[in-house]
Amino acid sequence: GENVEQHPSTLSVQEGDSAVIKCTYSDSASNYFPWYKQELGKGPQLIIDIRSNVGEKKDQRIAVTLNKTAKHFSLHITETQPEDSAVYFCAASIWEYGNKLVFGAGTILRVKS
Amino acid sequence: DTAVSQTPKYLVTQMGNDKSIKCEQNLGHDTMYWYKQDSKKFLKIMFSYNNKELIINETVPNRFSPKSPDKAHLNLHINSLELGDSAVYFCASSQDPQVQYEQYFGPGTRLTVT
Repeated sequence: GENVEQHPSTLSVQEGDSAVIKCTYSDSASNYFPWYKQELGKGPQLIIDIRSNVGEKKDQRIAVTLNKTAKHFSLHITETQPEDSAVYFCAASIWEYGNKLVFGAGTILRVKS
Repeated sequence: DTAVSQTPKYLVTQMGNDKSIKCEQNLGHDTMYWYKQDSKKFLKIMFSYNNKELIINETVPNRFSPKSPDKAHLNLHINSLELGDSAVYFCASSQDPQVQYEQYFGPGTRLTVT
């Protein structure tokens, strides 16, 4: 089955700097890759996603890149702000299998002001 | 307006008891899910229902039984609770997975078994 590895497990950046979180997946059939942000005491919130037919997607300060050959994808956050501090999860799925999301272990992002 | 809601938010109970967690979505989605988040924050899917039909059933003890009375509701019943069942349980929903992939999560139910 699918396995998703996520790095780093914790990341501290200074406000205004960029943050990059990387994930690798094992099943080359995976075709959907979302990123979720989870704040303390809340449910995961979808922040951006990418499908396998696209190499990059941007939404304001957030971008995701996908390298299907290497089977890895990354989340890029620019101009970080204290409110970006949270746990970030990557995931991968094969939609033919009922859209079963397999999550990475999460990255704790701390933005220091 | 809450998109995906769960009740209760907190649940504290003793080993051996039976408990239920309820989930409702008002997004008009066809598919609903249950995920378990353990103490290390690891998220893992448990079940998925599409239009009241079970489509994903991970390796979960049969003490866990999902029930979908209609496509807007997916409840989770747990029998004979064990210490290891302590976790946060999240409900999620999405459109028909062959049409739209995005899954939207509820606020979670923190279950503590003593």
